[in-house]
Amino acid sequence: SAVISQKPSRDICQRGTSLTIQCQVDSQVTMMFWYRQQPGQSLTLIATANQGSEATYESGFVIDKFPISRPNLTFSTLTVSNMSPEDSSIYLCSVASGARGAKLFFGSGTQLSVL
Amino acid sequence: TQLLEQSPQFLSIQEGENLTVYCNSSSVFSSLQWYRQEPGEGPVLLVTVVTGGEVKKLKRLTFQFGDARKDSSLHITAAQPGDTGLYLCAGATFSGGGADGLTFGKGTHLIIQP
Repeated sequence: SAVISQKPSRDICQRGTSLTIQCQVDSQVTMMFWYRQQPGQSLTLIATANQGSEATYESGFVIDKFPISRPNLTFSTLTVSNMSPEDSSIYLCSVASGARGAKLFFGSGTQLSVL
Repeated sequence: TQLLEQSPQFLSIQEGENLTVYCNSSSVFSSLQWYRQEPGEGPVLLVTVVTGGEVKKLKRLTFQFGDARKDSSLHITAAQPGDTGLYLCAGATFSGGGADGLTFGKGTHLIIQP
């Protein structure tokens, strides 16, 4: 397993501003992922953060809105840009482990509220 | 697009009762995981099942993978208030290799009342 530290744990932001969420892992991992979890809902994958190359985004998510950095094998950031109330959600980073990377370990999440 | 349907979506029962949560799909998965998420926390992996027909037990929790690897169930015996949480199933496929093939169900909100 991996220990994942995510911050901030929560924030309240104004419409039109941006927030950067940080994710630190206690070991080197190849695959890091960013998920969004809207209130009372399941997890939706935003993107896969690749070390040394651009992130791979899922359908419905674009780099201009959710820029991601992955400077090394233990750290990644997700920025939520030009926020609107619809971006209010929990944002989770996770890392893959286990055979063929099928097990995920999650950070504790960032609860974002946009006013 | 692979979909995982979880049922029930919401369940509130009394302490000591038994319950079963189902996770169904028309797709075959290489493995299936169950996670539990408590408020303010990220999901925590409970178990992974890999072989069709596999049964795994974790104390009062029994997990089963369907013979055809399309469905799974989670049975809790003598539920306790500490079992309260959001239970998520997630199916893994390896067409591209790795966890980018992980599909999450919508979750089952479970409340165990003392």
